[in-house]
Amino acid sequence: DIQMTQSPSTLSASVGDRVTITCRASQSISRWLAWYQQKPGKAPKLLIYEASSLESGVPSRFSGSGSGTEFTLTISSLQPDDFATYSCHYYNTYSWTFGQGTKVEFK
Amino acid sequence: QLQLQESGPGLVKPSETLSLTCTVSGGSISSSNYYWGWIRQPPGKGLEWIGSMFYSGSTYYNPSLKSRVTIFVDTSKNQFSLKLSSVTAAGTAVYYCARHDRGQDAFDLWGQGTMVTVSS
Repeated sequence: DIQMTQSPSTLSASVGDRVTITCRASQSISRWLAWYQQKPGKAPKLLIYEASSLESGVPSRFSGSGSGTEFTLTISSLQPDDFATYSCHYYNTYSWTFGQGTKVEFK
Repeated sequence: QLQLQESGPGLVKPSETLSLTCTVSGGSISSSNYYWGWIRQPPGKGLEWIGSMFYSGSTYYNPSLKSRVTIFVDTSKNQFSLKLSSVTAAGTAVYYCARHDRGQDAFDLWGQGTMVTVSS
């Protein structure tokens, strides 16, 4: 089974900071990676699919990149609404796997 | 606008079977464009995929839970359901149902989630 490892597990940042979160796959997954944002008590929200495609309605300060085994989610200028937990997700051939999550908190 | 809503008991005893239903409103569950899935999240922990299904009835399960999981669909009610047998305290979690878009290969729509506690 393919394992997904996110880093860091917690990230302290300030409004306006550029933030980067990494997700590594235990073997190549091409570009079959999505990113979600989750706030306390709420369901996850899809931000990015196929590694770099922005979901409709998601602000352009969010971007995704990568292929193969290493992927990144970047927030170009952190906004107050962006303090949340971010999770990566891999899907292939009837198997779905999530990373363990990265919490972005106030510095 | 399509919405998903989980329902079921909030408390289950250890060794018993957890049963939840997801009702899809505002659209049909019988679409070849989507899978429908269950995901759970223990308190303070990450997301864990439980299983998914296609409207035709084909099912796909997390290997670590496969022996205890059943997912089935009722297209007449526009619902799909989860049964997880022999639960333990480790099954205490928020359970989400979600729609997986086959074009995006991602869960693009989620229910609000329902908290299930496993305790005697």
